[in-house]
Amino acid sequence: EPEVTQTPSHQVTQMGQEVILRCVPISNHLYFYWYRQILGQKVEFLVSFYNNEISEKSEIFDDQFSVERPDGSNFTLKIRSTKLEDSAMYFCASILDVGEQYFGPGTRLTVT
Amino acid sequence: GIQVEQSPPDLILQEGANSTLRCNFSDSVNNLQWFHQNPWGQLINLFYIPSGTKQNGRLSATTVATERYSLLYISSSQTTDSGVYFCAVAPRRGNEKLTFGTGTRLTIIP
Repeated sequence: EPEVTQTPSHQVTQMGQEVILRCVPISNHLYFYWYRQILGQKVEFLVSFYNNEISEKSEIFDDQFSVERPDGSNFTLKIRSTKLEDSAMYFCASILDVGEQYFGPGTRLTVT
Repeated sequence: GIQVEQSPPDLILQEGANSTLRCNFSDSVNNLQWFHQNPWGQLINLFYIPSGTKQNGRLSATTVATERYSLLYISSSQTTDSGVYFCAVAPRRGNEKLTFGTGTRLTIIP
């Protein structure tokens, strides 16, 4: 069964450093999402992406964040200058058109 | 935006017991999913159920869209069922962002 993959599974970085989280959505899917979950809290929406542009973003998704689909398979989330409060689990998801969103296993980001 | 409330927030049960988790939402939905978050933090999709009833082994779910709630039933609980269960919904066309509830933490005691 096709699945969404994410790399790395765990990333540790120092405050102020740039990080890129990578996702490979299911190949024929059209809509892509990033969510995050701070430890002990609920999952929050960050951004959605369709037709090579952002379709919606939350207030969390400020100028420090960017997304890109550099080729036909990868979907990346970049944080330009990480802060301590960016420590969280980041989930990528994709959907064909309407229906079930398929989630990746997540990347645990730790900012020290 | 749409509001999602889950109850109870915490549930502790003996192995073998049955449980019912509830999800209330404030608006019409075209997508409703139940997830189990395992100890490694992964979100395991249990059901895609914007309406109707589905069953998968010991788990079943029912969504009554007209009354804006969904129920997740776990029968004959096992210790591996422990974890946090999230309900998530999307309104309108269904490819909108998912809004998650705050979850129910289920602990199954051997």
